[in-house]
Amino acid sequence: KAGVTQTPRYLIKTRGQQVTLSCSPISGHRSVSWYQQTPGQGLQFLFEYFSETQRNKGNFPGRFSGRQFSNSRSEMNVSTLELGDSALYLCASMTGVNTEAFFGQGTRLTVV
Amino acid sequence: AQSVTQPDIHITVSEGASLELRCNYSYGATPYLFWYVQSPGQGLQLLLKYFSGDTLVQGIKGFEAEFKRSQSSFNLRKPSVHWSDAAEYFCAVVLYNFNKFYFGSGTKLNVKP
Repeated sequence: KAGVTQTPRYLIKTRGQQVTLSCSPISGHRSVSWYQQTPGQGLQFLFEYFSETQRNKGNFPGRFSGRQFSNSRSEMNVSTLELGDSALYLCASMTGVNTEAFFGQGTRLTVV
Repeated sequence: AQSVTQPDIHITVSEGASLELRCNYSYGATPYLFWYVQSPGQGLQLLLKYFSGDTLVQGIKGFEAEFKRSQSSFNLRKPSVHWSDAAEYFCAVVLYNFNKFYFGSGTKLNVKP
């Protein structure tokens, strides 16, 4: 059974640009969440999508957005990139609620 | 507000020694509790979880954790550490019916030969 797939693994972008990250959850999983991991702030919840609807949202500015497609694949978009957006972005896949999360290997975003 | 505290930022143990990583949480009810491990540059791998029932839970790689409601703790233990256990360990809680994980700041484990 394939795990959670995140693409690309690494990205380098310039300040002011925008970026789109992709996450394919485990087959049959309908919930996809995104987390930002930085040395200073640790792991922080961005948002969760379930059956194409955003169900929960963390405390991030509107530059961070996401969506989920009918096949449960999810994309996360960050517009007007700032240096502080440099981080490891992790995607988590869950079957529903009240279960464990399975994480992808992450996308390492570097903003220069 | 919910919070998870891992008081030890770094821990060094000798290979073969026992290990205990501490985790305390703050929440009004009993949350769901997890331990994850992360190797450098990698994602998070689930070690074990507690939802209800027996307060001592077994996980992968020989790890176990004990939930103590009175202490709001969920400490991770391993009787004999292997060099391959060197990694960063995260305790996490999730609230009932909310797929939002709150993570501790992590504990980096070094294993001495």
